Amino acid sequence: DIQMTQSPSTLSASVGDRVTITCRASQSISSWLAWYQQKSGKAPKLLIYKASSLESGVPSRFSGSGSGTEFTLTISSLQPDDSATYYCQQYNSYTWTFGQGTKVEIK
Amino acid sequence: QLQLQESGPGLVKPSETLSLTCTVSGASISSSSYYWGWIRQPPGKGLAWIGSVYYSGSTYYNPSLQSRVTVSLDTSKNQFSLKLSSVTAADTAVYYCARANSGSYWGYYYMDVWGKGTTVTVSS
Repeated sequence: DIQMTQSPSTLSASVGDRVTITCRASQSISSWLAWYQQKSGKAPKLLIYKASSLESGVPSRFSGSGSGTEFTLTISSLQPDDSATYYCQQYNSYTWTFGQGTKVEIK
Repeated sequence: QLQLQESGPGLVKPSETLSLTCTVSGASISSSSYYWGWIRQPPGKGLAWIGSVYYSGSTYYNPSLQSRVTVSLDTSKNQFSLKLSSVTAADTAVYYCARANSGSYWGYYYMDVWGKGTTVTVSS
């Protein structure tokens, strides 16, 4: 199985800050990585697919990069509405795995 | 607009079989462009993929659950379902159904539309 490891587990930042979350795969997954945002009590929402493609309707302050085994999700200017848990997910194979999540808090 | 809605018992007894259905509206589950999947989230924990089914009926399962899981389609009702046997308290979770889309890259599927989720508690 491909294991996905996110860091940090939690981060606290101020409105307007640039925030970066890292996701590492246990083996190369090319660019087959998605990022999701999950707010408390809600279903996950797709933000990014194929490592860097922005899903329609997602604000442009969200961006993704990386390939192979190392990936990042960046929020260029953190907004109060971005308080949530973020998950990466690999889909390189037909057995999909998620990272453990990164909780983003607003100071 | 595509919508997915999970349904099924909210309480299941230990050792019994958990059965959930996902009703899809706004798209056909018979499309060759999508997989249809189940994901769960135990209380306070992260997301875990359970299994997926293609319009042809082919399936893929999480290896850790494979011996207990069945995901299937009912194209006549535009639904797909999850059965998880021999449940224990560890199977208590919010269960989500989702559509997996390949976009322009056939063979690689990410989950672009999710249901709202349904809570299943395993308890006697």
